[in-house]
Amino acid sequence: RKEVEQDPGPFNVPEGATVAFNCTYSNSASQSFFWYRQDCRKEPKLLMSVYSSGNEDGRFTAQLNRASQYISLLIRDSKLSDSATYLCVVPNAGNNRKLIWGLGTSLAVNP
Amino acid sequence: GAVVSQHPSWVICKSGTSVKIECRSLDFQATTMFWYRQFPKQSLMLMATSNEGSKATYEQGVEKDKFLINHASLTLSTLTVTSAHPEDSSFYICSAQHVSGETQYFGPGTRLLVL
Repeated sequence: RKEVEQDPGPFNVPEGATVAFNCTYSNSASQSFFWYRQDCRKEPKLLMSVYSSGNEDGRFTAQLNRASQYISLLIRDSKLSDSATYLCVVPNAGNNRKLIWGLGTSLAVNP
Repeated sequence: GAVVSQHPSWVICKSGTSVKIECRSLDFQATTMFWYRQFPKQSLMLMATSNEGSKATYEQGVEKDKFLINHASLTLSTLTVTSAHPEDSSFYICSAQHVSGETQYFGPGTRLLVL
């Protein structure tokens, strides 16, 4: 199993739709998780941190399932501006300062 | 949020020249900075971890003599791509990490094109 694995997509959804991405991780000792968003030709920007079972911020909800070793990101009421690549990130369990990055899931929200 | 700057934002150079990229944390002190490289349609790949006042730690497969890293202060790290070749053309991104946490704040990146 890869350290961090994501479905690359692309996910094409209409405006207003609800979309969910999953991310699986291999190290069961991992304690914290992050979702970053990266727009085309730009740097990643932190979207959400997940330290316990989940986190919610407006239209975005992240959930953690430790037993199955996956985290999910749910986007409700999709906007055109949500179109981006969503990166799942897991700190290296042996060195929390080092981040392990997924390849990202591409989302395109269509009018 | 924390601000990290990177300079230059893009550079075009001839093969064989050296290119220096600066990464600065503008409103916080970062004892650790990271240098990443991202090729088109690929994930960020960590190149090295830069620690203030000590030698950088390079990831496997990254040549330390080709990618020189200097972290002279708590707010500045530099990456020098020496004798750049076309295969070094990529998007180089730095990030800075607060002393207290895991969150990394990214600079806007530097696009390098080696002709």
